[in-house]
Amino acid sequence: DAMVIQNPRYQVTQFGKPVTLSCSQTLNHNVMYWYQQKSSQAPKLLFHYYDKDFNNEADTPDNFQSRRPNTSFCFLDIRSPGLGDAAMYLCATSRVGSTNEKLFFGSGTQLSVL
Amino acid sequence: AQSVTQPDIHITVSEGASLELRCNYSYGATPYLFWYVQSPGQGLQLLLKYFSGDTLVQGIKGFEAEFKRSQSSFNLRKPSVHWSDAAEYFCAVGARSGANNLFFGTGTRLTVIP
Repeated sequence: DAMVIQNPRYQVTQFGKPVTLSCSQTLNHNVMYWYQQKSSQAPKLLFHYYDKDFNNEADTPDNFQSRRPNTSFCFLDIRSPGLGDAAMYLCATSRVGSTNEKLFFGSGTQLSVL
Repeated sequence: AQSVTQPDIHITVSEGASLELRCNYSYGATPYLFWYVQSPGQGLQLLLKYFSGDTLVQGIKGFEAEFKRSQSSFNLRKPSVHWSDAAEYFCAVGARSGANNLFFGTGTRLTVIP
């Protein structure tokens, strides 16, 4: 089935140790998003790629970076994770310009920072 | 500025009872409106969406929502709740053009008691 796949489901890292979360999609959607969701809070958009164009939200910390090497894959890099970065990270995709636009979400990666 | 308010943090209903989850939004233009459901440790699943047309929209799992422009509301309803409906529910608004960056409410946690 076409879907959005996030790996790993659970990621543990150490304070200050770089970590990369991955997302892949088989939907051939032109937009990919990364959301951060802290415990008992709403998902918050970090950034998105519209094709190859990177769009950063104004309040996204510099500690967070992203790469989209091709249509199917998108990575979230956290250069120096802090305790406050522990959260669920959700990847989503959409096809802008379609008549039935909506976001498809992956199952998320739960990041723990020790 | 856009915002979404879900005034009820936690709702408990008995199985078989009716359900209404409230959502109010503030948006500079006519928005796209969405309801998502999230089970523990999972990503978000789209229940239903409103783009245009009939203001009463039907979704999956027996849910419906009504868009009321005069009240800036998009409340979610279900006539008879099942135990499997226990989850977190998020209302969201999105732009009508371009990459559909969703702004989420803080969610309502639904508990279903036998």
